[in-house]
Amino acid sequence: DIQMTQSPSSLSASVGDRVTITCRASQSISTYLNWYQQIPGKAPNLLIYGALSLQSGVPSRFSGGGSGTDFTLTISSVQPEDFATYYCQQSYSTPFTFGGGTKVEI
Amino acid sequence: QVQLQESGPGLVKPSETLSLTCTVSGGSINNSYWSWIRQPPGKGLEWIGYVFYTGSTNYNPSLKSRVTISLDTSKNQFSLKLNSVTTADTAVYYCAKMRGGSVNWFDPWGQGILVPVSS
Repeated sequence: DIQMTQSPSSLSASVGDRVTITCRASQSISTYLNWYQQIPGKAPNLLIYGALSLQSGVPSRFSGGGSGTDFTLTISSVQPEDFATYYCQQSYSTPFTFGGGTKVEI
Repeated sequence: QVQLQESGPGLVKPSETLSLTCTVSGGSINNSYWSWIRQPPGKGLEWIGYVFYTGSTNYNPSLKSRVTISLDTSKNQFSLKLNSVTTADTAVYYCAKMRGGSVNWFDPWGQGILVPVSS
């Protein structure tokens, strides 16, 4: 199985801060990497697919980057509604696997 | 806009079979992949498996011996059966549409259903 490791596991930020979350794969996965946001008590919501592509309806302050084994999710200016847990997921091969999550707190 | 809704019993006893159904509305179950994902309370996400509209399946090897995912195109539903459950199977279970092909992702998701395993 491909292991996905996110860092940090949690971070504190203020409204307006620039936030970057890192995801590392245990082997190269090209750009087969997706990002999800999960608000407590809700289902995950797709933000970024194919490492770089913004899902329709997602604010442009979210952006993805990277390829191979190292990936980033950046929020250019954190808004109050962005405080949530973020997960990366590889779709290079089955079993599809998720990172452990990064909780973004105020 | 496709929407998904999980349904099933609120409690399952150890050693019994967990059975859940996902009802798809706003679109056809045909020509798509459909997946189940779970999340133990306070923990991360685990992919369980998917079914293609043709009936072909792919399961996580960690659960493969206990899992069956099937679909009912006449009802626009797909289902999950997990047998011989233990307390470790307590989780929120999500159904999701999986974008298949060369690049895959899960969108949209159902709201999730908490299934405690307890005697």
